[in-house]
Amino acid sequence: SQQGEEDPQALSIQEGENATMNCSYKTSINNLQWYRQNSGRGLVHLILIRSNEREKHSGRLRVTLDTSKKSSSLLITASRAADTASYFCATVFSFNDYKLSFGAGTTVTVRA
Amino acid sequence: AAGVIQSPRHLIKEKRETATLKCYPIPRHDTVYWYQQGPGQDPQFLISFYEKMQSDKGSIPDRFSAQQFSDYHSELNMSSLELGDSALYFCASSRGQLNTEAFFGQGTRLTVV
Repeated sequence: SQQGEEDPQALSIQEGENATMNCSYKTSINNLQWYRQNSGRGLVHLILIRSNEREKHSGRLRVTLDTSKKSSSLLITASRAADTASYFCATVFSFNDYKLSFGAGTTVTVRA
Repeated sequence: AAGVIQSPRHLIKEKRETATLKCYPIPRHDTVYWYQQGPGQDPQFLISFYEKMQSDKGSIPDRFSAQQFSDYHSELNMSSLELGDSALYFCASSRGQLNTEAFFGQGTRLTVV
């Protein structure tokens, strides 16, 4: 697989705490995207970060990208019960790559 | 705002039957992707279309076929269904070829009995 692993596989935190999850990949990328999925539901796009970007923010979300380490992280600050979901990173490997390759995902549980 | 529409949302079929899943992309999106997600699994890429032509192919069984029509909607045809085909099938669309974000539909849950 060209896609690596997400770490951790599962995360349980208290409401108000921050949640950090990591994604690694194996080959050079064009861009990396993070998605959220509530149980059995559709995938919701969160953030896209391009290979020439190092950090992006969207509300309580912060994504970093380290192309030298082939890794990305997603930070959710001040978590809420509604953030309980699975989070996936997905990569686009080149300008001629017409698909998203997903990692295994991190299941986040936010306890009230 | 318009989203990606998939139909049906749920489908129950018997082994060896045929199923057709439909996907209506967001208006002005020219690219459609199909993914299969088994229970507790990450989404697996099946096939994609750009401007009505197949642009990439993943781990799609020969029993499956898909196409994108002139109005940009897409259909995934699945024949000789097997129990292992039971999964969530997602369609996504984007404007251009994945240099922008892809938007996913709510999925079709296929159960093969």
